[in-house]
Amino acid sequence: DTGVSQDPRHKITKRGQNVTFRCDPISEHNRLYWYRQTLGQGPEFLTYFQNEAQLEKSRLLSDRFSAERPKGSFSTLEIQRTEQGDSAMYLCASSYGGTSGHYEQYFGPGTRLTVT
Amino acid sequence: DAKTTQPPSMDCAEGRAANLPCNHSTISGNEYVYWYRQIHSQGPQYIIHGLKNNETNEMASLIITEDRKSSTLILPHATLRDTAVYYCIVRFSSNTGKLIFGQGTTLQVKP
Repeated sequence: DTGVSQDPRHKITKRGQNVTFRCDPISEHNRLYWYRQTLGQGPEFLTYFQNEAQLEKSRLLSDRFSAERPKGSFSTLEIQRTEQGDSAMYLCASSYGGTSGHYEQYFGPGTRLTVT
Repeated sequence: DAKTTQPPSMDCAEGRAANLPCNHSTISGNEYVYWYRQIHSQGPQYIIHGLKNNETNEMASLIITEDRKSSTLILPHATLRDTAVYYCIVRFSSNTGKLIFGQGTTLQVKP
């Protein structure tokens, strides 16, 4: 296993278009996270899956954003009607997880979205 | 999760130890200190974590003060490849595992 992969690595879209990003986590990991990072800032948590269940969503995740993780494997993040403020790096991370414990998160390389 | 404070930037000479401080004065008894770093254009990478005791692994050492209100990440022999943004994060072990990143410290290792 080569780690967390994300596709595409770069996406340029026009305002108002829909975009979808894919994340393939490390295969044994049951937890999957999405983060967003704008220039000069640390990553911001967006949402979290345990297996196929989406258990937490940030208030940053407006109703234009939707994420899925069918069958608890890969995940997709869709942004509808993109706005220029959506321009950012979208990072995916995965980890093992139980009721407690310390499971480091492994991050993918990110998808850089530019909305023109 | 408790808030952390880090200096925005630091320099270090190649081959010397880099000591990165973090203040977490509101940390509670069962919150852990985590360190991640992010090399330019890459996703963050886990470095180390600890509760009370000092910790060491192949990448770094973590020194936590006795009152747990601050900690220091030590890279014993910094190389140019250690140039990155270093994030200190405090969180409970039993939560969802989400990470709350601050601004971090940009470490520049110079030849």
